[in-house]
Amino acid sequence: QQQVKQSPQSLIVQKGGISIINCAYENTAFDYFPWYQQFPGKGPALLIAIRPDVSEKKEGRFTISFNKSAKQFSLHIMDSQPGDSATYFCAATLESSASKIIFGSGTRLSIRP
Amino acid sequence: ETGVTQSPTHLIKTRGQQVTLRCSSQSGHNTVSWYQQALGQGPQFIFQYYREEENGRGNFPPRFSGLQFPNYSSELNVNALELDDSALYLCASSLGMSSGANVLTFGAGSRLTVL
Repeated sequence: QQQVKQSPQSLIVQKGGISIINCAYENTAFDYFPWYQQFPGKGPALLIAIRPDVSEKKEGRFTISFNKSAKQFSLHIMDSQPGDSATYFCAATLESSASKIIFGSGTRLSIRP
Repeated sequence: ETGVTQSPTHLIKTRGQQVTLRCSSQSGHNTVSWYQQALGQGPQFIFQYYREEENGRGNFPPRFSGLQFPNYSSELNVNALELDDSALYLCASSLGMSSGANVLTFGAGSRLTVL
């Protein structure tokens, strides 16, 4: 079963533009929503995360927007840079389940110079 | 502070064989989880080990098994390999049962090809 749906599958953005990746989840019990960034040949690395008691979290150029009623959340990358080119995964988990994280299928982001 | 290290980085096996993958946790982390990442897909949770015991399992058959050692390192064993087992196997460590439990540090993975 696909508990976390992610779109688009791939995305091309010009340098300096805004990259937007969207995710939807099914299980309303999820209480922690991380985003992971993965470069080729590397494991995923935690980028930013949010809990459902807030609607937005910003860290530098990265912002998560969270809509609890719609069961949707998104990652916005402002002023996208070529170094941001990577695969991004949204995810969801129950804090009580610790490291059992449900990942989306990933978005391959390419930033054109 | 060392990160999560996995070995081997690549290996090729034939259908029906058995494989053991190894993982050393990040310093200070006491929980290890294993994920399977098929090509072009997100990682899928296999199981987690805390204090040398399995503490949560995903939708994987019993031929996937694991161990955690007193130094918190871990092994993933897969018996009777099938073609669909071809994937990147990721190990992640974390501070189990604490406020940092959700923050996983992943290794670079072991790429398994089953022929």
